[in-house]
Amino acid sequence: DAGVTQSPTHLIKTRGQQVTLRCSPISGHKSVSWYQQVLGQGPQFIFQYYEKEERGRGNFPDRFSARQFPNYSSELNVNALLLGDSALYLCASSPGTSGGNTQYFGPGTRLTVL
Amino acid sequence: GQNIDQPTEMTATEGAIVQINCTYQTSGFNGLFWYQQHAGEAPTFLSYNVLDGLEEKGRFSSFLSRSKGYSYLLLKELQMKDSASYLCAGFTGGSYIPTFGRGTSLIVHP
Repeated sequence: DAGVTQSPTHLIKTRGQQVTLRCSPISGHKSVSWYQQVLGQGPQFIFQYYEKEERGRGNFPDRFSARQFPNYSSELNVNALLLGDSALYLCASSPGTSGGNTQYFGPGTRLTVL
Repeated sequence: GQNIDQPTEMTATEGAIVQINCTYQTSGFNGLFWYQQHAGEAPTFLSYNVLDGLEEKGRFSSFLSRSKGYSYLLLKELQMKDSASYLCAGFTGGSYIPTFGRGTSLIVHP
């Protein structure tokens, strides 16, 4: 079975631009979570979606938004990019949202903001 | 959310055993994950502990003490490919969104 897929792999943008990152979960998984990981740190939670509804939001500004589609894929949008948004953006899927549901990560999108 | 604490860096010799510790807040604790992350790659799942005790999976074992707010990941017969960052992640209360520690960078040398 295919794992979590993300696109694009790498992205270079300039300050003020907008970016959309995409994620397809493992088949059968209904929950998708987004994380931001800067170098030397652990992943920081941004959003969690389940059955197209937002189930959790981390401490990120309103410039960050996301949505989940009927096929459970998801998009993360970031507006008005700042230099500090440069990071690895990880998508993780799980069957549901309960505690025993292990999150499986995609390869990530490396975003560089110049 | 959780407050996860783990050492920043550890070094060990090939063939040896290493223990990576993780402490967390016990209030409302629900479970704890360990992930391995090689440089430039996504985290991969190693273990999940919710009950006290040791769980063994091949060369890797994970231990949890709920009362002490303490976990460790034990790596045996270290190999060079085990050089990676090891992330401890826990969640509490009604939230099943894991909070990750900053990771422990393990360097295995010959």
